[in-house]
Amino acid sequence: GENVEQHPSTLSVQEGDSAVIKCTYSDSASNYFPWYKQELGKRPQLIIDIRSNVGEKKDQRIAVTLNKTAKHFSLHITETQPEDSAVYFCAASGGSYIPTFGRGTSLIVHP
Amino acid sequence: NAGVTQTPKFQVLKTGQSMTLQCAQDMNHEYMSWYRQDPGMGLRLIHYSVGAGITDQGEVPNGYNVSRSTTEDFPLRLLSAAPSQTSVYFCASALAGAEDTQYFGPGTRLTVL
Repeated sequence: GENVEQHPSTLSVQEGDSAVIKCTYSDSASNYFPWYKQELGKRPQLIIDIRSNVGEKKDQRIAVTLNKTAKHFSLHITETQPEDSAVYFCAASGGSYIPTFGRGTSLIVHP
Repeated sequence: NAGVTQTPKFQVLKTGQSMTLQCAQDMNHEYMSWYRQDPGMGLRLIHYSVGAGITDQGEVPNGYNVSRSTTEDFPLRLLSAAPSQTSVYFCASALAGAEDTQYFGPGTRLTVL
């Protein structure tokens, strides 16, 4: 089955800095890569996703890049703000009915 | 639309007790799943369903049962609660399965003493 590795587990940045979270996956059949944000005490919610026919996707301050050859995808957040503080999960799917999630990255943005 | 709803929000059980966590969605989604979330372990899949009458095991199914008699409901049953089942449980649904947005419920925080 699919295996998704996510790094780092914790990321601490100053407000205004950029943050990058990286994930790797194992199943070459995976072709959909969503990112979820979970604020403290809340449910995970989709913030951005990318499909295998696209190399990069941007939505305001967040962007995701995908390298299918290397089986690697990343989340980039620019000009971080305190409200970006949350746990971020990557996921990979396409080879099975249900996506496989990474273990999560706790992002802390210091004012 | 209420989306995905879960009850209860909090529950405390004693070891050996049984209970059912309820999950319902009103979006006519075929795919539903249950995850548990523990510190540092991410979201681990317990059971999932691709439609009414069809269920399958995920990564950590032991100690849990599910059924899917309707499209809307996907209850999770703990047969004999153990302290290792202390966790936050999330139900999720998706229209088109793995390659579609997963909509999560608000979660149930379960403590087993």
